[in-house]
Amino acid sequence: QSVLTQPPSVSGAPGQRVTISCTGTSSNIGAGYDVHWYQQLPGTAPKLLIYDNINRPSGVPGRFSGSRSATSASLAISGLQAEDEADYYCQSYDSSLSGSVFGGGTKVTVL
Amino acid sequence: QLQLQESGPGLVKPSETLSLTCTVSGGSISSSSYYWGWIRQPPGKGLEWIGNIYYSGSTYDNPSLKSRVTISVDTSKNQFSLKLSSVTAADTAVYYCARHPCSGGSCHRNWFDPWGQGTLVTVSS
Repeated sequence: QSVLTQPPSVSGAPGQRVTISCTGTSSNIGAGYDVHWYQQLPGTAPKLLIYDNINRPSGVPGRFSGSRSATSASLAISGLQAEDEADYYCQSYDSSLSGSVFGGGTKVTVL
Repeated sequence: QLQLQESGPGLVKPSETLSLTCTVSGGSISSSSYYWGWIRQPPGKGLEWIGNIYYSGSTYDNPSLKSRVTISVDTSKNQFSLKLSSVTAADTAVYYCARHPCSGGSCHRNWFDPWGQGTLVTVSS
């Protein structure tokens, strides 16, 4: 069981907006540590999508956005496209573990 | 453009030691701005952080792996390595290496980017 909790799957039609939640505890997100998001296309390595809660690396489309609240974070995909079908993972730091923790991953399906 | 490449045996016997190397190209592993990390992903499952190393040799790793992990660095070869001892079938996974930046005075709270392509290691007799 992962330290950070994500829904196993979300789906949406092309053009729609979907959101993925990432829920933590008082030793990670709730302690104020930043959240980062990755996209993993089938058969490939994870790729950084959002860092420090809201920042997009160069080259990541603007339809991907991140947000964070007290003990959770969210990734939103607006204008969903077929190429967005992938697994998405959140990551943060955990003070109990003294290291990085990941969510269990969310599979996004484009209907 | 920085690239990372994992290498090592794809098959390891139970109770033996898994050994992998990550070769960094397009940049120096001796940069003071980065740690270098290992992450694994069992088939069909999620990501698990294994540990990180600094060019000086300073390391920190996941306590859930119960001290089976040894991470080392060879700055002359621009490589860092992972050894995981006493492996079982549960250690079967794709193993990734990745860069882990330091920023704002913190080297432990940040993201991983870029990642290597990953290498599948199967533990089986």
